[in-house]
Amino acid sequence: KNQVEQSPQSLIILEGKNCTLQCNYTVSPFSNLRWYKQDTGRGPVSLTIMTFSENTKSNGRYTATLDADTKQSSLHITASQLSDSASYICVVSGSSGTYKYIFGTGTRLKVLA
Amino acid sequence: DTEVTQTPKHLVMGMTNKKSLKCEQHMGHRAMYWYKQKAKKPPELMFVYSYEKLSINESVPSRFSPECPNSSLLNLHLHALQPEDSALYLCASSQSGGAVEQYFGPGTRLTVT
Repeated sequence: KNQVEQSPQSLIILEGKNCTLQCNYTVSPFSNLRWYKQDTGRGPVSLTIMTFSENTKSNGRYTATLDADTKQSSLHITASQLSDSASYICVVSGSSGTYKYIFGTGTRLKVLA
Repeated sequence: DTEVTQTPKHLVMGMTNKKSLKCEQHMGHRAMYWYKQKAKKPPELMFVYSYEKLSINESVPSRFSPECPNSSLLNLHLHALQPEDSALYLCASSQSGGAVEQYFGPGTRLTVT
């Protein structure tokens, strides 16, 4: 069964600290993996998209890594800010050209001052 | 312009009402999506339109009726909804399927009384 699992479910950190969110997937075939940030009550905003040939991709203070062999991805947030408080969702696309994206359940991050 | 707009932002309707949600994008995208998202859950795909034709219907009840009048507009007609249909309804668009950016709108918060 195609699944995307994220850990931890929730995380609280202090402003300025770094953190890493994990995503494991069992989707096959694999086309691409993306990370989204979703503020409460708002639509998700794309942070990164990686295909199977990409190992790492950065977007400002966000750095995503992908290991297609172990089917794992991580999102590292550097020097966290209060505005980073949101849900972070890992989404996997199972085949090229598909319109179906498999969503993980997300990690809820809260950054405290 | 990378914006997907949705109206209304909030909607409260009775179970006997008929209402419509509207989504618009001017990025020239040929794929448009409706998702339903319950609190603390990931978005669930409902419908996909590709080149203005219904491409995917994820076995959504007939009380939800999608419509794509043109390549920029996507509507979701609602009739005889149930309280459990209360959720955040997200519209998204992308150039095509696969490893491309998917842009989400801010969502419509629907409450069925």
